[in-house]
Amino acid sequence: GQSLEQPSEVTAVEGAIVQINCTYQTSGFYGLSWYQQHDGGAPTFLSYNALDGLEETGRFSSFLSRSDSYGYLLLQELQMKDSASYFCAADNQAGTALIFGKGTTLSVSS
Amino acid sequence: DTAVSQTPKYLVTQMGNDKSIKCEQNLGHDTMYWYKQDSKKFLKIMFSYNNKELIINETVPNRFSPKSPDKAHLNLHINSLELGDSAVYFCASSDTRTQTEAFFGQGTRLTVV
Repeated sequence: GQSLEQPSEVTAVEGAIVQINCTYQTSGFYGLSWYQQHDGGAPTFLSYNALDGLEETGRFSSFLSRSDSYGYLLLQELQMKDSASYFCAADNQAGTALIFGKGTTLSVSS
Repeated sequence: DTAVSQTPKYLVTQMGNDKSIKCEQNLGHDTMYWYKQDSKKFLKIMFSYNNKELIINETVPNRFSPKSPDKAHLNLHINSLELGDSAVYFCASSDTRTQTEAFFGQGTRLTVV
């Protein structure tokens, strides 16, 4: 079957750095993406990795290792507004399946 | 100009009723999805439509049926609603040529009483 595993909860303080890991087991894997969802809102896209290595987008970075079936999202200089759920998601080569992990709830305190 | 819009935002209905949720995207994407998000926030893919053809149909009861009149629309019809159908349903779209970002609608909170 297809599955993505990520921690259920992470807590941190403002200004800190947090890494959310994701391991995946999917058929026809093409790339790994990350989404943020605030309570009551819709998932919004953060980052995408199709190749091994690090992608940096402002305070957020994402990493992929295809050989290890592993990726992570790195959040730097945490702010209170970063408190949300973060999902990793895997898509297939045809781009017709986007399977999500169960999400990681990040709580940022002052 | 909302990229992916779905209606209604809230839907309260009785068990046994039939209801539809509409979704439209104005991004020119070729793939649209329906997801169910339960109380534990798990985003479960229900359907994927690519160029009006059903690509994925996960283990979803046949009471749920996607209907796509054209590439920009993917509606979700639900027959004989059950209490367990209560959840937030999200429509999303993506472009398989770029395969990077999926855009989500605002969600429809369905409550079956």
